[in-house]
Amino acid sequence: ETGVTQTPRHLVMGMTNKKSLKCEQHLGHNAMYWYKQSAKKPLELMFVYNFKEQTENNSVPSRFSPECPNSSHLFLHLHTLQPEDSALYLCASSQGPGLAGEQYFGPGTRLTVT
Amino acid sequence: GENVEQHPSTLSVQEGDSAVIKCTYSDSASNYFPWYKQELGKRPQLIIDIRSNVGEKKDQRIAVTLNKTAKHFSLHITETQPEDSAVYFCAAPDSGGYNKLIFGAGTRLAVHP
Repeated sequence: ETGVTQTPRHLVMGMTNKKSLKCEQHLGHNAMYWYKQSAKKPLELMFVYNFKEQTENNSVPSRFSPECPNSSHLFLHLHTLQPEDSALYLCASSQGPGLAGEQYFGPGTRLTVT
Repeated sequence: GENVEQHPSTLSVQEGDSAVIKCTYSDSASNYFPWYKQELGKRPQLIIDIRSNVGEKKDQRIAVTLNKTAKHFSLHITETQPEDSAVYFCAAPDSGGYNKLIFGAGTRLAVHP
């Protein structure tokens, strides 16, 4: 598959569960991002990784734990979430730091916390 | 850090009319201004972008204009069609972060046949 893929596409979890979201990019990019999209804040940046290193944590609660094992894969580990964490979680990638350029988004994971 | 404000939040036009969405930014050092379109149930996709060394850029029915002095940029869609109905987001880079984009709150455009 080309572009940016995300799995699962839909996820329902209880507040005591632990789950992980996966993102993979097939574009040869060096930067990857996690965004939260909700009605309150349409596109809220959570984390930025450049060359596998985290370069931005936008004051995200510790119940969200990102992992970037290589430039093509990005995970978001979830534990003890709250109902207000229900949202669409979008992954994106771009060529890398330096000259700002296009970010390519994945289809998102629709998360519902019960 | 950068702050981006986008107006209007909703916009309704008749097919064939023009639509204009405006964004203001706070950081005078910002040099890259993209516009993303998100159709219902789909991912955001870049439709046009502009860098600070030009004042206007066009691509068929869409154009973006940039006023660096006033720190605002606008998306112009001419001859709107029903398939232009979507949420549009503007963005600007945060100079305090590497490749961090700050997005506006979005404009929901509805084009009525």
